[in-house]
Amino acid sequence: QKEVEQDPGPLSVPEGAIVSLNCTYSNSAFQYFMWYRQYSRKGPELLMYTYSSGNKEDGRFTAQVDKSSKYISLFIRDSQPSDSATYLCAMSARGGNQFYFGTGTSLTVIP
Amino acid sequence: GAGVSQSPRYKVAKRGQDVALRCDPISGHVSLFWYQQALGQGPEFLTYFQNEAQLDKSGLPSDRFFAERPEGSVSTLKIQRTQQEDSAVYLCASRNRGLNGYTFGSGTRLTVV
Repeated sequence: QKEVEQDPGPLSVPEGAIVSLNCTYSNSAFQYFMWYRQYSRKGPELLMYTYSSGNKEDGRFTAQVDKSSKYISLFIRDSQPSDSATYLCAMSARGGNQFYFGTGTSLTVIP
Repeated sequence: GAGVSQSPRYKVAKRGQDVALRCDPISGHVSLFWYQQALGQGPEFLTYFQNEAQLDKSGLPSDRFFAERPEGSVSTLKIQRTQQEDSAVYLCASRNRGLNGYTFGSGTRLTVV
């Protein structure tokens, strides 16, 4: 079993929809949680960074972490065609330098 | 520079050939990481440098893989006697002290034929 599980999709939504992306993990030592966006043939770009449980909002993006369930989510409100990309969750342990990534979820927002 | 720069962007190697992939991190960034991303997968950790010291190489898949960062800035990932299973995108990332997420480069897409 991989340490981080993520549904690869693909996910296709109409413009303006709310998108929910999720990851589960097995390592209870993970304390830092990130979401990256990756456009085709580009490197991942950091979207959100959270520490431990709770919510964090940045514009149209909200990241949620539930450590008791080992479950993290990214919500995208008012989705735009420019949001079409692969979204990767990543996490690391306290003091750890290695990030563990999910497989990524491919999202297409249809105009 | 403004971002992490990797070269070449694309590399085709014949099986058995040696390759060298270069990473120029963001100026002043102390930490440098190499990741391997197979098609349809998330990045997987290869190795980590803090300045010129290679502190973790636990992700290197075999002794054919070697990385160095001799002056604490530019890094090179070398793969000897390439095999088909080495075909992937090799991503470099850097991070400064106290900052949380990495900044990734666009990667080098290696195809072994």
